[in-house]
Amino acid sequence: NAGVTQTPKFQVLKTGQSMTLQCAQDMNHEYMSWYRQDPGMGLRLIHYSVGAGITDQGEVPNGYNVSRSTTEDFPLRLLSAAPSQTSVYFCASSFTGRLSSAFFGQGTRLTVV
Amino acid sequence: DAKTTQPNSMESNEEEPVHLPCNHSTISGTDYIHWYRQLPSQGPEYVIHGLTSNVNNRMASLAIAEDRKSSTLILHRATLRDAAVYYCILRDVTGGGSNYKLTFGKGTLLTVNP
Repeated sequence: NAGVTQTPKFQVLKTGQSMTLQCAQDMNHEYMSWYRQDPGMGLRLIHYSVGAGITDQGEVPNGYNVSRSTTEDFPLRLLSAAPSQTSVYFCASSFTGRLSSAFFGQGTRLTVV
Repeated sequence: DAKTTQPNSMESNEEEPVHLPCNHSTISGTDYIHWYRQLPSQGPEYVIHGLTSNVNNRMASLAIAEDRKSSTLILHRATLRDAAVYYCILRDVTGGGSNYKLTFGKGTLLTVNP
């Protein structure tokens, strides 16, 4: 099993550019989410989805868009990149049962200059 | 969200047991106690979780206090590969939706000395 796959692993953007971070999982998980991790801080939730066609905002959603057209894919779009969005981004997925555990991707390190 | 408190850092020697504490005095009856760890330059990975009873798996053991206000993650024989940040997280999925999220604190940085 591939698990949770994120692409790209590294990206440098100029301020104002847009891009999409890809996330795919092959475990048929209903729940998918995006986090960002800044130095010295824990992971913070950006957006999440409990199934295809359903998305909602997390703790720090501003400047990001998501969609969930399939169970497998949950892309994160940066609309107009800003230096404050320099961070490491993690995608996670899980079943929605009470005993479910989350699986995380390896992360995308994004630098906005 | 119910909060957890962990020491910022701990040190251990290789092949010795490690006990990582977590306080969660405001835990509710439907909160599960989850532990994740994050190795350097990697995404978090699931370690173990439990509700009331102690739990064991191939990675670790979880000891939960009788009043559930604290728990301890036990690594029976630490190896250099166990050096990571360990996160103790309370998760209550009752009601679905945003409750599936994991709320990460700063965790405990475990250093393992050879």
